[in-house]
Amino acid sequence: RKEVEQDPGPFNVPEGATVAFNCTYSNSASQSFFWYRQDCRKEPKLLMSVYSSGNEDGRFTAQLNRASQYISLLIRDSKLSDSATYLCVVNPSGGSYIPTFGRGTSLIVHP
Amino acid sequence: NAGVMQNPRHLVRRRGQEARLRCSPMKGHSHVYWYRQLPEEGLKFMVYLQKENIIDESGMPKERFSAEFPKEGPSILRIQQVVRGDSAAYFCASSPDRGPGNTIYFGEGSWLTVV
Repeated sequence: RKEVEQDPGPFNVPEGATVAFNCTYSNSASQSFFWYRQDCRKEPKLLMSVYSSGNEDGRFTAQLNRASQYISLLIRDSKLSDSATYLCVVNPSGGSYIPTFGRGTSLIVHP
Repeated sequence: NAGVMQNPRHLVRRRGQEARLRCSPMKGHSHVYWYRQLPEEGLKFMVYLQKENIIDESGMPKERFSAEFPKEGPSILRIQQVVRGDSAAYFCASSPDRGPGNTIYFGEGSWLTVV
């Protein structure tokens, strides 16, 4: 089983739609979680951290389910500019604390 | 610009040549990470360094690849005798510290093309 797994998509949605992505992780002792956004031929950029209590930033909501070992990202009222690849990131609880990236989920928002 | 700086942004090398990629971390950051992204694939960890120390190189190929982060100057990822399979985007990231809550910030990447 891969350390961090994501459905690669693409998710093809119309403007204004609500879309959700899930990400599963294998290490139950993982401590912290993030979503990054990567545009084509650009660097990944931090979108938001994911907390156990769930957190919201405008149209974006992230949630963590430790029991089932998955995190989710919900995007409401999708915009054309939301089209990108969304990367799930998991930090382990020990060792070198190297952030591990999922392969990403591609989102295409069309008019 | 206080962000992570990488250069060159684009590099073309013939098979067998050497490629050197540089990374200056964000101001105040002393931890540097190198990741590689092959076309249509995810980010793969290569090496994690602090000043003058390699902390974790578990993702680095055993041959032809090396990395350093000297006391003065940028971190350098060196690829000797490049092959076509080395063509990829190489991203450097930095963080201010180390730990489970660590957040890393990326540079714009160096795109290596081997012809």
